[in-house]
Amino acid sequence: GAVVSQHPSWVICKSGTSVKIECRSLDFQATTMFWYRQFPKQSLMLMATSNEGSKATYEQGVEKDKFLINHASLTLSTLTVTSAHPEDSSFYICSASKPATYEQYFGPGTRLTVT
Amino acid sequence: KNEVEQSPQNLTAQEGEFITINCSYSVGISALHWLQQHPGGGIVSLFMLSSGKKKHGRLIATINIQEKHSSLHITASHPRDSAVYICAVFDTDKLIFGTGTRLQVFP
Repeated sequence: GAVVSQHPSWVICKSGTSVKIECRSLDFQATTMFWYRQFPKQSLMLMATSNEGSKATYEQGVEKDKFLINHASLTLSTLTVTSAHPEDSSFYICSASKPATYEQYFGPGTRLTVT
Repeated sequence: KNEVEQSPQNLTAQEGEFITINCSYSVGISALHWLQQHPGGGIVSLFMLSSGKKKHGRLIATINIQEKHSSLHITASHPRDSAVYICAVFDTDKLIFGTGTRLQVFP
């Protein structure tokens, strides 16, 4: 086991609205979850690292007020894109790691389109 | 210069060919991942290694820590192997990704 799910798999929303993406570890407890975004034909870019029960650590250049991350339990982290704009359209991927390991297990991704 | 470089960037092969994808890195690492991303976008972790060699089915991954180099080999390639293969190194507390190698295997 080590399955990570994301919901929704794709979402279309209008400019100015907020969208919440869920990341769940289905068969293990994830002390750390990572959120990435990926533009077409580019590699993954780390947005933030979240540890259960504490505030997320954001990478330089990522607006923490725009991309709200909550890691409320050992199996669930959420990313909320607030006041979405067309330039937020991207593929968002989460990953989760087990305690004291380097291996990351990736979710299937969420494709966000903002119109 | 990127901290993690992969070569080649694009690769085409005929079914059955032996394929090698290379990854060189310049940072000190704790571990190295080989990932596979299919056109739908989902990412699968193929290997995580910190020394030596690992084998899973037709896939083999090797790493040379002294030379800061890793290779991913695919034996008897198949069209279903067509995907983007990404090398990622774990530096301190996060993964640093290579730009990926786009592989197309033709029947």
